[in-house]
Amino acid sequence: KQEVTQIPAALSVPEGENLVLNCSFTDSAIYNLQWFRQDPGKGLTSLLLIQSSQREQTSGRLNASLDKSSGRSTLYIAASQPGDSATYLCAVRANYGQNFVFGPGTRLSVLP
Amino acid sequence: SAVISQKPSRDICQRGTSLTIQCQVDSQVTMMFWYRQQPGQSLTLIATANQGSEATYESGFVIDKFPISRPNLTFSTLTVSNMSPEDSSIYLCSVGTARGEAFFGQGTRLTVV
Repeated sequence: KQEVTQIPAALSVPEGENLVLNCSFTDSAIYNLQWFRQDPGKGLTSLLLIQSSQREQTSGRLNASLDKSSGRSTLYIAASQPGDSATYLCAVRANYGQNFVFGPGTRLSVLP
Repeated sequence: SAVISQKPSRDICQRGTSLTIQCQVDSQVTMMFWYRQQPGQSLTLIATANQGSEATYESGFVIDKFPISRPNLTFSTLTVSNMSPEDSSIYLCSVGTARGEAFFGQGTRLTVV
């Protein structure tokens, strides 16, 4: 059974810092991996999708990498801003058509 | 991408009653899922909503408690039946696109009193 963990559980940084969020999964046979952002009491916003054949994806200040063989993904946020404060979730899918398995999330606070 | 409209956004309900949550997508999608997020927790899959057939439920979730309808490829409902305070959660509708990307509705925050 696939299990997803995220480190750290919470992170507080001053504005402007570069930071890395980590995601690990136990079964490397994945179809894809997706990073989401969730604001308090809200739904999930898709940030980046990485297919199993890809090593990384970039969108603006965000860069996500995938090392399938070691069961790891990282989300890099450059020049953090207070508006980046949210919970960041990673999720993996085993096969096309199946649901995602979610990690517990990393709660990020960026202080002005 | 897919735009998902989920209603209601929040509700406060009396125990023993039922609430039906609607999920409307702006395009036809094959994959549609319902998740629950209990306070302070991550997302747990309730069921896969199948068009034209009964939903596929995950372990720990049953049709009598969480009946799901999916009459077409753009719409689904989830009912939370005979509610108790333990059902207080955020309920989320999700769809999967052709390239396997997931999109979510804004969620329904349910409080049972």
